[in-house]
Amino acid sequence: GDSVTQTEGQVTVSESKSLIINCTYSATSIGYPNLFWYVRYPGEGLQLLLKVITAGQKGSSRGFEATYNKEATSFHLQKASVQESDSAVYYCALSDPSGSWQLIFGSGTQLTVMP
Amino acid sequence: DAGVTQTPRHEVAEKGQTIILKCEPVSGHNDLFWYRQTKIQGLELLSYFRSKSLMEDGGAFKDRFKAEMLNSSFSTLKIQPTEPKDSAVYLCASSLEGHSDYTFGSGTRLLVI
Repeated sequence: GDSVTQTEGQVTVSESKSLIINCTYSATSIGYPNLFWYVRYPGEGLQLLLKVITAGQKGSSRGFEATYNKEATSFHLQKASVQESDSAVYYCALSDPSGSWQLIFGSGTQLTVMP
Repeated sequence: DAGVTQTPRHEVAEKGQTIILKCEPVSGHNDLFWYRQTKIQGLELLSYFRSKSLMEDGGAFKDRFKAEMLNSSFSTLKIQPTEPKDSAVYLCASSLEGHSDYTFGSGTRLLVI
């Protein structure tokens, strides 16, 4: 079946340092899925951070970037300089644009930014 | 714009009880989803409605979990009977039909003791 893998359950980074959160996907039945990053800040609901629907394209929001790499089947989330306010849980997800559009989520990565 | 509203925010139940969680989707959204969120499993789909019709009922959750959508502006998730392993955050989300830009509610944190 289709799936999303986030290998790091927790990541701790010092403020102003760079960040990468890994995400790989398997979309055997879809081919070219739509890819998303969702974020849940403390005390808030899950919200869309960025999405990319075309292979090879890059999405960006709030200083975060992610590139749709269809060869590596990856969609890693990066930021050049993190802030304490970026501490949150980040979820990578995919959907099938030719099917139900239902989102399939990774297990999430808790990011803690140390001051 | 009102987002997705979930009630209650917190629920404590004893093992064996029946609990009902409620969700009001964004007005005009045709797709509604119920997810269970745990640290170990992440987000697991429980149910999916399109225009009030049940499209997916989450396989492994069928026996004690039942979601209903009696009208386009209200959905419930019943867990009967509850078990301690059901302790989790239950999220409701809605979207326009055919869009994966979900709007999530703040969730209901359930503790079963």
